[in-house]
Amino acid sequence: GAGVSQSPSNKVTEKGKDVELRCDPISGHTALYWYRQRLGQGLEFLIYFQGNSAPDKSGLPSDRFSAERTGESVSTLTIQRTQQEDSAVYLCASSFKTTVHTGELFFGEGSRLTVL
Amino acid sequence: GENVEQHPSTLSVQEGDSAVIKCTYSDSASNYFPWYKQELGKRPQLIIDIRSNVGEKKDQRIAVTLNKTAKHFSLHITETQPEDSAVYFCAASGGSNYKLTFGKGTLLTVNP
Repeated sequence: GAGVSQSPSNKVTEKGKDVELRCDPISGHTALYWYRQRLGQGLEFLIYFQGNSAPDKSGLPSDRFSAERTGESVSTLTIQRTQQEDSAVYLCASSFKTTVHTGELFFGEGSRLTVL
Repeated sequence: GENVEQHPSTLSVQEGDSAVIKCTYSDSASNYFPWYKQELGKRPQLIIDIRSNVGEKKDQRIAVTLNKTAKHFSLHITETQPEDSAVYFCAASGGSNYKLTFGKGTLLTVNP
């Protein structure tokens, strides 16, 4: 596609339910990132993929959060047993290069998650 | 890890005035400093970046300055226009070279 695509764009769920957020990066981009943006806050790093591997999962807030990437393409971020503090916009970004110094991050429009 | 502080959180200027947004970082190993612009309801987009081997970079009405000794960098927008209204994020990348740490953002409003 022409850009990074994320789905769903909006998700409202009840506390305790599991949710899956999907990211389709730009074709050929080897690096993929997930960030979380709470209302009025900055972009909080969650996880980074190089190919299908995740060398850095340090930003995942708890063991309720997990992510995977397959085919060096699509990535899914799964949040189990959602809680109200999980409410945020989840942004995915991809980059052609493996370092941010040489590769601009291209962001998707985000998935807005609301946990009631 | 890296910590990026950004000020001010909100900034309101009259059209035609200049706007300055400042950021500080904590990791002396950081050597790449991009700025992203996020319009309301849209995705963040890179507008300018600077690497540690230069002190200043300009692109039309936008400039970024870097002071490595003091560990701070700034975004300067001259002759502001209403379409400059957006949230601006600074970021820094350190020794890991793949992770960007973002500031909390500055909401810039340019009043016609």
